[in-house]
Amino acid sequence: KQEVTQIPAALSVPEGENLVLNCSFTDSAIYNLQWFRQDPGKGLTSLLLIQSSQREQTSGRLNASLDKSSGRSTLYIAASQPGDSATYLCAVDSGAGSYQLTFGKGTKLSVIP
Amino acid sequence: EAGVAQSPRYKIIEKRQSVAFWCNPISGHATLYWYQQILGQGPKLLIQFQNNGVVDDSQLPKDRFSAERLKGVDSTLKIQPAKLEDSAVYLCASSLVRGLAIQETQYFGPGTRLLVL
Repeated sequence: KQEVTQIPAALSVPEGENLVLNCSFTDSAIYNLQWFRQDPGKGLTSLLLIQSSQREQTSGRLNASLDKSSGRSTLYIAASQPGDSATYLCAVDSGAGSYQLTFGKGTKLSVIP
Repeated sequence: EAGVAQSPRYKIIEKRQSVAFWCNPISGHATLYWYQQILGQGPKLLIQFQNNGVVDDSQLPKDRFSAERLKGVDSTLKIQPAKLEDSAVYLCASSLVRGLAIQETQYFGPGTRLLVL
């Protein structure tokens, strides 16, 4: 059974800092890995998706890496802004015929102005 | 493109009562998912439909939870009777069938926040 762990559970940083969120998973037989953002009272928004054959993906100030063999992924946020404050969830897709996401508990990020 | 719609947004009930949630997926998405997200946890898949058939309901507490997607479009999730531990956000998501999408991801609705007293 796939298990996903995210560290830290919460993080508070001053505006402008670069930061790293960590995700680890127990079963390396994955289809892809995604990072989602969740704002209070809202659903999840997909930020980055890394296929199992890829090493990293970038979107603006976000960069996600994947080391499938060691079961780890990191999400790097450059020059953090107060608008980045949210909960970030890592999800592993282990499904073959259909998407089956297993989520971590998330990291709650607060960026202080 | 309209997103995934869910209603109601909030619901407060007493234990042992019944409750139903409704979801309308993105048009053309064959696969629909219901997740339960307890405070401080990540979403947990309850049931997955492809068209009107169940793909996975291994984590659905079948003694009290039921779900249907009769016409392969919108879906209803029901809890009867509710327990205190059912207090959570219930998220609906939809996706295209794998292999047909450029961006292979699920699209989530805003969720229904349930409080059982």
